[in-house]
Amino acid sequence: ELKVEQNPLFLSMQEGKNYTIYCNYSTTSDRLYWYRQDPGKSLESLFVLLSNGAVKQEGRLMASLDTKARLSTLHITAAVHDLSATYFCAAGHNAGNMLTFGGGTRLMVKP
Amino acid sequence: EAQVTQNPRYLITVTGKKLTVTCSQNMNHEYMSWYRQDPGLGLRQIYYSMNVEVTDKGDVPEGYKVSRKEKRNFPLILESPSPNQTSLYFCASSTRQGLEQYFGPGTRLTVT
Repeated sequence: ELKVEQNPLFLSMQEGKNYTIYCNYSTTSDRLYWYRQDPGKSLESLFVLLSNGAVKQEGRLMASLDTKARLSTLHITAAVHDLSATYFCAAGHNAGNMLTFGGGTRLMVKP
Repeated sequence: EAQVTQNPRYLITVTGKKLTVTCSQNMNHEYMSWYRQDPGLGLRQIYYSMNVEVTDKGDVPEGYKVSRKEKRNFPLILESPSPNQTSLYFCASSTRQGLEQYFGPGTRLTVT
C-alpha cells in the first residue's frame, strides 16, 4: 500500500525567507504531483514530476524528485504573503490513474 | 473556458436518501476521478475512470457508485448515504497520461 507523508504539517514563515516542504512516499511511484489549495477553494496543479532528478520551477517555487530516496521537495524562495496556502503532494501509481495524497502542509507567510 | 463543473456545490441530506453529485468536463479528457477531502486525512481517491464504460475503485470506494456513459460526465452516486460520508468531494479530469489534473470546485455534503 502506497503511503505519502508530508513534513511539516504546518509552517509559519516570514516574508523573504526560504524553506522546503518534504514529501516522502513508501513504495515505487510513477509520478509525483504538487498542488496548491487556498482556503475554501479547489486544488490548483503546480507541478508534475515524471522521472528521477526532475526539477521544475515556477516563480518562487521549485519542485524536485529523487525516486531512489522516494522523496520530493517543494522549495520556497524569498516567500511572499501570496504564497500562503495549503500545499499537497500526491504520488501516482497504476500509470498515474491512482493518486495517493499526503496530508498537506499549511503554509502561512507573515509580512 | 476549460473547466470541471460539479453540482450541487452544497448539499444537506438525511441518512438513507439516495443522491447523485454530477461532474462534467469540457476538455475532452479521457480520465476522470472522484476524491473526498476530510480534515486530517487529506484527499482520498474514491473511484476513477479511464474512459467511457471503464471505471475502477480507488482507495475508499465503499458506499459509492459511479458510472461513465459519456466522456464528459462522471456522476458520483450515494445509494444510501450515512453520516460518515459527510465530506468535501472533488471531481477531477486529465489527459490519459494524467499529466495535469483539473479539479472541480468541490461539493460540500452533509449527511444527518
